[in-house]
Amino acid sequence: DTAVSQTPKYLVTQMGNDKSIKCEQNLGHDTMYWYKQDSKKFLKIMFSYNNKELIINETVPNRFSPKSPDKAHLNLHINSLELGDSAVYFCASSLHWGLVRPYEQYFGPGTRLTVT
Amino acid sequence: GENVEQHPSTLSVQEGDSAVIKCTYSDSASNYFPWYKQELGKRPQLIIDIRSNVGEKKDQRIAVTLNKTAKHFSLHITETQPEDSAVYFCAARRKYGGSQGNLIFGKGTKLSVKP
Repeated sequence: DTAVSQTPKYLVTQMGNDKSIKCEQNLGHDTMYWYKQDSKKFLKIMFSYNNKELIINETVPNRFSPKSPDKAHLNLHINSLELGDSAVYFCASSLHWGLVRPYEQYFGPGTRLTVT
Repeated sequence: GENVEQHPSTLSVQEGDSAVIKCTYSDSASNYFPWYKQELGKRPQLIIDIRSNVGEKKDQRIAVTLNKTAKHFSLHITETQPEDSAVYFCAARRKYGGSQGNLIFGKGTKLSVKP
């Protein structure tokens, strides 16, 4: 029943590895996002997707590659993981993008990534 | 681009007192200002929001005020309870530019309500 879900909840891996995080929303929303929350709790937008198309890439290193197979799913693949990638990654969704209301964004439960 | 400043970073109040968290934004074209509550280990949850054509909005014990001229908005929680303890984030939604539609978040306020 969870509106926005993510897997896995926890991910522990070593530097240099490649990992993926999956996100699904069952709200019928058009737009999905990835956020990174660092150890100081700062929430920063990484990517925005609308109807499977990348809208915004907020100057994220190209080691991060999002993929949206359909508008209900947005996955995040990270290559060559670095220590600084350790954070909580949140997926979110909103009904529409741009100037169309409503604007509310709903977050998934988060994936805590630890790179050792 | 948009920049959102949030104060204070930590706030401790006694149960029953009021709490006020303030945010300022830089882009006068921003048109939507949500507030999120994040409990420890949980996801951010939308608790209240306000659009740029409204000055104040209330929902039970919480209220948000917006001063467009001064470019600041505030969250007010009255009759605080221990379960209000959490990190609160303000955000501003960019209306124009390359990041149109994205939320820019403040750095959060850790609210502690002491019983």
